[in-house]
Order: sequence, then C-alpha cells, then structure tokens
Amino acid sequence: AQKITQTQPGMFVQEKEAVTLDCTYDTSDQSYGLFWYKQPSSGEMIFLIYQGSYDEQNATEGRYSLNFQKARKSANLVISASQLGDSAMYFCAMRDLTGFQKLVFGTGTRLLVSP
Amino acid sequence: GAGVSQSPSNKVTEKGKDVELRCDPISGHTALYWYRQSLGQGLEFLIYFQGNSAPDKSGLPSDRFSAERTGGSVSTLTIQRTQQEDSAVYLCASSEDGQGSSTDTQYFGPGTRLTVL
Repeated sequence: AQKITQTQPGMFVQEKEAVTLDCTYDTSDQSYGLFWYKQPSSGEMIFLIYQGSYDEQNATEGRYSLNFQKARKSANLVISASQLGDSAMYFCAMRDLTGFQKLVFGTGTRLLVSP
Repeated sequence: GAGVSQSPSNKVTEKGKDVELRCDPISGHTALYWYRQSLGQGLEFLIYFQGNSAPDKSGLPSDRFSAERTGGSVSTLTIQRTQQEDSAVYLCASSEDGQGSSTDTQYFGPGTRLTVL
C-alpha cells in the first residue's frame, strides 16, 4: 500500500523568501509518480509539479521545484520568492504508474505568506 | 480550454434524501475520478472511470454510493439515503488517458460541498 506523510500542519514564510514543504512516502512499487497540488481557500486543487520515480533530475516549474531524494523516499516542494498568493493548503500525492490510477494524498500543509 | 466543471457547487440536503452530483471533465479526457475531502478523513479516492467503465470502485464507502459515466464524458455520483457522515466536499478530476503514463496528470474541478442536515 502507498502512504504519504506530511509532517508540517502549518508553515509561515515572509514574502520573497523561499520555503520548503516536506513530503515523505512509502511504497513497494518500482514505478510511481509524485505530485504536488495547491488548494486555495476557493477549494479547487491546482496541479503544481510532477516527479517520476525514474527521473534523474529534480523537476522544476517556474518558482516551484521538487527536491527528490529517492533513497530517503522524500519529495519536498520548494517555493522560491514566496508571494502572498501562495497562501494555501499544499498536498503531496502519489500514484502507481503501472496499476490503478488513483492518487493517494497526504494530510496537507497550510502555508501562510506574510507581507 | 475549459477545465473540469462540477455542479452544484453547494448542496444542502436532509438526512435520508438522495443526491446527485455532476462532473463535466476536460474535453477529450478519457479518465475520470471522484474523490471525497472531509475534515476527519482527508482526501479519499472513491471511483475511477476509463471511458464508461469503472475498473476501480474500491473507494466507494457503501452501497449507498454509485456512479456512472455516459458517452465517455459526463459523470454522475449518486448518494442514496444520505447520512450526516456523507457531508464533505466531493471532487472530480480527469486525465488524458488514465493508462499510467508518467505525463497523465489529474486535473480537478472546484468540487461540490455537500451538507447533510
């Protein structure tokens, strides 16, 4: 069974600073994908970034990067130059790339960016 | 293009009534998923459609829950004889092919907030 653990219920960061949101995972699958989603107060889940288990380089998408450490089973999200609009819930998720397609989510981290 | 849409955005119902929640996936996406988000349980998978068939229904919590998809497009999640524990946000997502390819990202709709009184 797959499991995602996000140990930070809440994080605070000042505008323009970088912040790291932690995510560790557990799976027996060899081929899997890791995802980060943002959920603002409006409720919609917004896809941010993806990392495949066989990808050798860390994924980057604009101000978002994923610090993937396969041996440690961690997939931390790094947000550079935080903006007020980054205040939201952030969810780490994973799915098997060979079997059923469901996403397994962590419990989320609430990020608050202050001016 | 248009994203995933869901209706209604909010639904308040009385215990024991039936409700139907609708999801319109992104045009051309063959895979469709239902998830539930509640305070106590976090985000839980309910059911997955590939085309009109549902190869994975493992997350449906009871036989009061059912879902169908027609024309490879719109999906309806039906909850019969609603209970207070059914109160949650029901999220729908779609992806291009659902075949497990690495680029097959799930895109979510805004959700339906269900409140059972």
